[in-house]
Amino acid sequence: QKEVEQDPGPLSVPEGAIVSLNCTYSNSAFQYFMWYRQYSRKGPELLMYTYSSGNKEDGRFTAQVDKSSKYISLFIRDSQPSDSATYLCAMRETSGSRLTFGEGTQLTVNP
Amino acid sequence: NAGVTQTPKFRILKIGQSMTLQCTQDMNHNYMYWYRQDPGMGLKLIYYSVGAGITDKGEVPNGYNVSRSTTEDFPLRLELAAPSQTSVYFCASALGAGDYGYTFGSGTRLTVV
Repeated sequence: QKEVEQDPGPLSVPEGAIVSLNCTYSNSAFQYFMWYRQYSRKGPELLMYTYSSGNKEDGRFTAQVDKSSKYISLFIRDSQPSDSATYLCAMRETSGSRLTFGEGTQLTVNP
Repeated sequence: NAGVTQTPKFRILKIGQSMTLQCTQDMNHNYMYWYRQDPGMGLKLIYYSVGAGITDKGEVPNGYNVSRSTTEDFPLRLELAAPSQTSVYFCASALGAGDYGYTFGSGTRLTVV
C-alpha cells in the first residue's frame, strides 16, 4: 500500500466551478501537509502548507486537513483556466525534511 | 534571484553512456534533493543532502551517484544509462528540516535509447 494515495484524474471542470482535490495517507506520523501546483513541463511550486487539522484559506484556495481520518483536501473556488495544472499533495513527519508525494491530479479548467 | 537552476533541460543518451545532471541553488539552502518523475508514478526521491559533504540514499538510488562539495551544487551522476532511467529529473532545495516546502528547479527531461 502506498503511504499517500491521490486520484490521478484527469479532472475536467468548467470555468467558475468549485474544485475538490483529495489525498489520503496511512502514516500517522505525517504532521505537515503541503499542496504543490505543477504546470506542464515545469517544476512543482509550493501552493499551500498547513500543520494543524482544520482549514487554511488563501484567496481562492482552501486547504483542509483531517488527521483523525488521515485525509487532506484542496478546494479551489471560482476556478480559472490558469488553474489548469497537476496538483500534488505532499507530507512529512515532524522530524526530518523528506517529503512524501502523492502521484498528482491533473486538472483542466475549460473556458 | 535565480532559485534552483538545472542543466541541461533535455538530453538523449544511448544505453551505456554516462552523464551528469547539474543542479545549482543560490538561496544558501542546506538541504538539496533529487527526484525523478514518471507518468502516473509521482515524484520518487533518488538522493538527498543535508549539507556540504553529506549525502544519503532515497527510495530509488540504484544507477545513480551524487556528491555535495559545496552548499550551492548538487550534481547527479548516471553511470551506464539504461532505458529504465528515461524520466524527468527534478532538483529541489530547502533551507532546513523545518522548512515547509521545497523550491524546485524546472527539470531535466532525459531519454535513454
